[in-house]
Amino acid sequence: EAGVTQSPTHLIKTRGQQATLRCSPISGHTSVYWYQQALGLGLQFLLWYDEGEERNRGNFPPRFSGRQFPNYSSELNVNALELEDSALYLCASSRAMGQPQHFGDGTRLSIL
Amino acid sequence: ELKVEQNPLFLSMQEGKNYTIYCNYSTTSDRLYWYRQDPGKSLESLFVLLSNGAVKQEGRLMASLDTKARLSTLHITAAVHDLSATYFCAVDTGNQFYFGTGTSLTVIP
Repeated sequence: EAGVTQSPTHLIKTRGQQATLRCSPISGHTSVYWYQQALGLGLQFLLWYDEGEERNRGNFPPRFSGRQFPNYSSELNVNALELEDSALYLCASSRAMGQPQHFGDGTRLSIL
Repeated sequence: ELKVEQNPLFLSMQEGKNYTIYCNYSTTSDRLYWYRQDPGKSLESLFVLLSNGAVKQEGRLMASLDTKARLSTLHITAAVHDLSATYFCAVDTGNQFYFGTGTSLTVIP
């Protein structure tokens, strides 16, 4: 069984630009979650998508947004990038909320 | 907002010793997960605890859940170097996962 895949592995942007991160869940998983892990900090919940709809979002500004496609893959978009957006962004998937989440290897976003 | 606190944040222990990591949370939940993260890597699922009194064991690690005390423990028995990593607990409230701050474990030969 293929795991959760994320792309790109690394992304370098400058302040004010926009970034798009992608995630493909495990086959059969309909829920996709996005987390931010800044250096030295824990995981902060960003967004939860299930069956194509946004189900919940964490305490992040609206410039963090995303969507889930009919094949359950997902995109995270970050607009007007700021230096503090530099972090590892992790995507996870599960069969449904309440089921264990399986994590991808992450996208490391660096803002110069 | 739910708070999930782990302690200790940093743990340095000698090989062969036993120790316990604690995870306290501030709201009712009967679903708790433990994950391991190696440096520069993603999170690996260790244990899924789905009811009060649940106990799971895998090798030198054992996790338990007391939903009444809102406490989960991760017990390490006879630590070995390969267990060096950061361990996270996560509480599932039904619509969001809340992760603890993590415990960075270093096992010294």
